[in-house]
Amino acid sequence: QKEVEQNSGPLSVPEGAIASLNCTYSDRVSQSFFWYRQYSGKSPELIMSIYSNGDKEDGRFTAQLNKASQYVSLLIRDSQPSDSATYLCAVSGTASKLTFGTGTRLQVTL
Amino acid sequence: SAVISQKPSRDICQRGTSLTIQCQVDSQVTMMFWYRQQPGQSLTLIATANQGSEATYESGFVIDKFPISRPNLTFSTLTVSNMSPEDSSIYLCSVDSQWPPQYNEQFFGPGTRLTVL
Repeated sequence: QKEVEQNSGPLSVPEGAIASLNCTYSDRVSQSFFWYRQYSGKSPELIMSIYSNGDKEDGRFTAQLNKASQYVSLLIRDSQPSDSATYLCAVSGTASKLTFGTGTRLQVTL
Repeated sequence: SAVISQKPSRDICQRGTSLTIQCQVDSQVTMMFWYRQQPGQSLTLIATANQGSEATYESGFVIDKFPISRPNLTFSTLTVSNMSPEDSSIYLCSVDSQWPPQYNEQFFGPGTRLTVL
């Protein structure tokens, strides 16, 4: 059974639209939640962290966490072609280890 | 965040040989981790590199195949031993952020792309 699940995509959105990326996790004791962006051929880059229920905004990015539903999402407003990448959801419990989802490939079209 | 470098950035190796990958951080860090990313796949944790003690391996990974060293708080190595084509992957090291320590943020090095023929 997968511990962190994401839709693999590709998710295609037009430039300027809102991209919505979703992730569910199975371990109820998970405490920290992360979104990484990975461009093709590059290593993952941390773009958002969230630890408590609700929304966290950073520029064009908003992370949303609902621990009761075991659900975390990432919204990207005003999507740009440079946002085209794979977005990895990662979850951490008490042992500092990260468990990654399989990633959602986002394509922002002109 | 810390600046992380890895050597080599890529290599092509023959089956049956071994390759040692180095990870260097520009500041002292408590936790260092090694991940594998197979083609088209997500990241899988191989082990946690502990300074001054043996690494902690995840299920499916063993010390004989992936020996790890962590001689100090800024450096670690991962060796891929007796390689087969199935070991062709990107190998990534990561470090935890130092503050706040309870949040477990990790930052990744640039990765080592390994191809085994």
